[in-house]
Amino acid sequence: NAGVMQNPRHLVRRRGQEARLRCSPMKGHSHVYWYRQLPEEGLKFMVYLQKENIIDESGMPKERFSAEFPKEGPSILRIQQVVRGDSAAYFCASKGQGSQPQHFGDGTRLSIL
Amino acid sequence: GIQVEQSPPDLILQEGANSTLRCNFSDSVNNLQWFHQNPWGQLINLFYIPSGTKQNGRLSATTVATERYSLLYISSSQTTDSGVYFCAVKDSGYALNFGKGTSLLVTP
Repeated sequence: NAGVMQNPRHLVRRRGQEARLRCSPMKGHSHVYWYRQLPEEGLKFMVYLQKENIIDESGMPKERFSAEFPKEGPSILRIQQVVRGDSAAYFCASKGQGSQPQHFGDGTRLSIL
Repeated sequence: GIQVEQSPPDLILQEGANSTLRCNFSDSVNNLQWFHQNPWGQLINLFYIPSGTKQNGRLSATTVATERYSLLYISSSQTTDSGVYFCAVKDSGYALNFGKGTSLLVTP
């Protein structure tokens, strides 16, 4: 009965490189959410996806960030040309149908050198 | 968007003490969750409580939706309770809106 699985747990990139963060939702969940936590802050919503559809991306930065949740495989959060300010913990959550709680993964800690 | 305020921002307790954490929110909600972020950064689901009262061991929570607040009670605190406690709410939108958290330190 696996929970939300995120990988990698830690990711180090140099400025200008690309970062790819993966999230496999809980079994039976078709709603995926990505949140970002900057140091010493609460979590901020980035994007909400269902299979093959972006439903709400109002929290995503306009440039360099993209997300997908393909028909097969995990959801991917992609950050192109990373900068120091992208250093943060990125959390994925999933939810079942209807009024259900969101279940969170352990996060990916992204560090930019 | 909906505003979430948590108090107190910081709390230091001696092991065995009880505490109450508060979460105020600015609008009607259809989801409210309490989380514990442990020192390793993991986010642990404590309660899904848009209304009413729930208990789980030494922890309990009450949400009074009509008055727009929720309370988290920790009884007989232990050092392993240390970490940051977040309240998060959802209105008619899709996202959970998090408060800034209460940082709890339980000393031996």
